[in-house]
Formats: sequence, C-alpha cells, structure tokens
Amino acid sequence: SQTIHQWPATLVQPVGSPLSLECTVEGTSNPNLYWYRQAAGRGLQLLFYSVGIGQISSEVPQNLSASRPQDRQFILSSKKLLLSDSGFYLCAWSTSTGGQPQHFGDGTRLSIL
Amino acid sequence: GESVGLHLPTLSVQEGDNSIINCAYSNSASDYFIWYKQESGKGPQFIIDIRSNMDKRQGQRVTVLLNKTVKHLSLQIAATQPGDSAVYFCAENKGKLSFGAGTTVTVRA
Repeated sequence: SQTIHQWPATLVQPVGSPLSLECTVEGTSNPNLYWYRQAAGRGLQLLFYSVGIGQISSEVPQNLSASRPQDRQFILSSKKLLLSDSGFYLCAWSTSTGGQPQHFGDGTRLSIL
Repeated sequence: GESVGLHLPTLSVQEGDNSIINCAYSNSASDYFIWYKQESGKGPQFIIDIRSNMDKRQGQRVTVLLNKTVKHLSLQIAATQPGDSAVYFCAENKGKLSFGAGTTVTVRA
C-alpha cells in the first residue's frame, strides 16, 4: 500500500532562518506531488505541484520554493523565513492520471518567532 | 471566479443522528468531487468521491449526493459517532484540488 511521510511534525524557527521540509511517498511510482499551506480555520492553499523529477509549478508568488530531486521526494524550502510563513504545511500525492483523489501526509506545524 | 465552498462553518449533531454537510460549487465544468475529513493536527483523509456522471454514491455509513442542476454537493453520515467529530472539506478536482474552508462537525453525546 502507498504511504506518505512528512517531517518534522512541528518546527519553531526564528525570522530570517532557512527552512527545509521533506516529504516522501512509498508504494507508488511517478506520483504527482503537492505542497499546500493551511491557515487556522481555513481551507488549503496550493503552493507547488510537481508531475515529475525536476518539474515544479508554483501557484502563488511567495518566499518559498520547492524541489523534487527524486521521483518520490518533494522538498519545501526557504532561504529566509518571514513571520507570514507560519502555518500548517501539507504534502500530498496522487496518481499521474487525472480525476483521482489526493492523499495527504500529517503535515508540519511551522511557527516563526 | 470559480470556487468551491461550504454552506455552514459549524454543525452540531446528536450522537446517533444523521449528519448532512453541504457544499456549493460554481464551476459547471467540474467533473470530479471529493470529500475529506480532517481531525485536529492531522492531514485531510479521503472519505469518498463522485464523478459528474453520477448523482449518488454510497460508502460505509456515508453517502455523497451530487445535484448538477444547482451545483450542489452533500455528504450524509449515518448514525453519527463521536469519532466523526472533525472538519469536513469538499474539493473540486480538475487536476488540482480547490478546497472550501470546511465545516466543523461536533458530535454531542
């Protein structure tokens, strides 16, 4: 069966520090991968998605970037965190064909001080 | 613009009763919809999906209804249990998901 892992589960970082959140998927090949941010009491905002290694699409201009160095690895990064980067970050995967559900990891709670 | 939204932010239901959670969408070209359940501190969990060529689909204790005429989607939970307390999201899938803000369901004992 397929599984998705995100780490760390929680992270507290000072303003201006770098960020690296990692997501890995097991049990499937060539998945579509996604990064979302969820503000408290709100829906999910798509940040990035990837349909293959090295292929990244950005949905909103922001202080973050994403990379996909391997087929089942998706990384969310920042060089210098802002207070507004605080939130709940979720990674998801889906099969490469359309019209299929996305499956989410358990997220990273990021607090910027 | 096109959007997916939920009618009510909160729903309180007595344990054992049926729950109905509603969602309206505005993109008439949408052909696939999903319901997710999100418990506190966790990621959304897939519950059930439905394609636009159907108007009803049933799972274990859940039923999704799709009314394309009025662009309305609902999730019915039978015999609601305390473990059903969570935030429920509908999402429109056209390759990328578009989520509403969610409905928080609280089950009263």
